[in-house]
Amino acid sequence: AQSVSQHNHHVILSEAASLELGCNYSYGGTVNLFWYVQYPGQHLQLLLKYFSGDPLVKGIKGFEAEFIKSKFSFNLRKPSVQWSDTAEYFCAVRGNQAGTALIFGKGTTLSVSS
Amino acid sequence: NAGVTQTPKFQVLKTGQSMTLQCAQDMNHEYMSWYRQDPGMGLRLIHYSVGAGITDQGEVPNGYNVSRSTTEDFPLRLLSAAPSQTSVYFCASSTSNRAYEQYFGPGTRLTVT
Repeated sequence: AQSVSQHNHHVILSEAASLELGCNYSYGGTVNLFWYVQYPGQHLQLLLKYFSGDPLVKGIKGFEAEFIKSKFSFNLRKPSVQWSDTAEYFCAVRGNQAGTALIFGKGTTLSVSS
Repeated sequence: NAGVTQTPKFQVLKTGQSMTLQCAQDMNHEYMSWYRQDPGMGLRLIHYSVGAGITDQGEVPNGYNVSRSTTEDFPLRLLSAAPSQTSVYFCASSTSNRAYEQYFGPGTRLTVT
């Protein structure tokens, strides 16, 4: 069965620090990968997505992610975080079973102190 | 467009009570789904629907029923609430050919005592 692993449960950073959140997926075939963000009290929003092509994907708010097929990874990065980046981040993979549109990781909580 | 709307935003139930969480979308999306979000567990799929009249179970369907009588609405019913169903519930929708690009509702926070 497909699965998504997020290595960090809770990350605490100071403003201006660099961020990298790990994500690994289990499926070895063609994958579509996503990062969603959930700001406190809000619903999930799509941050960025990878379908094919350039493995370095740029998303909103200065986030980017790199797809490394050989490592089954899709890590999220941001060079300099802001207090407003405090949120929960979910990595997800497109499901390959009928009807299972997305399979989510367990999430990483990012806390940024000013 | 209002997008995906959910009601209520908050609900407290006693064990054994039943209730319906409402979800509606105005984007004419064929695919709709319900997830529950629990700390440290991510989002888990409860039920989904690929169109009016068609529903199926996801990863954690026990204790929940759904129906899809119209394209717009996809209510989730808790038959006999249990404390283990305390969670935040999200409804999502998408077009059927891009089911992975889901639009999420604001969520319903449910507490069962």
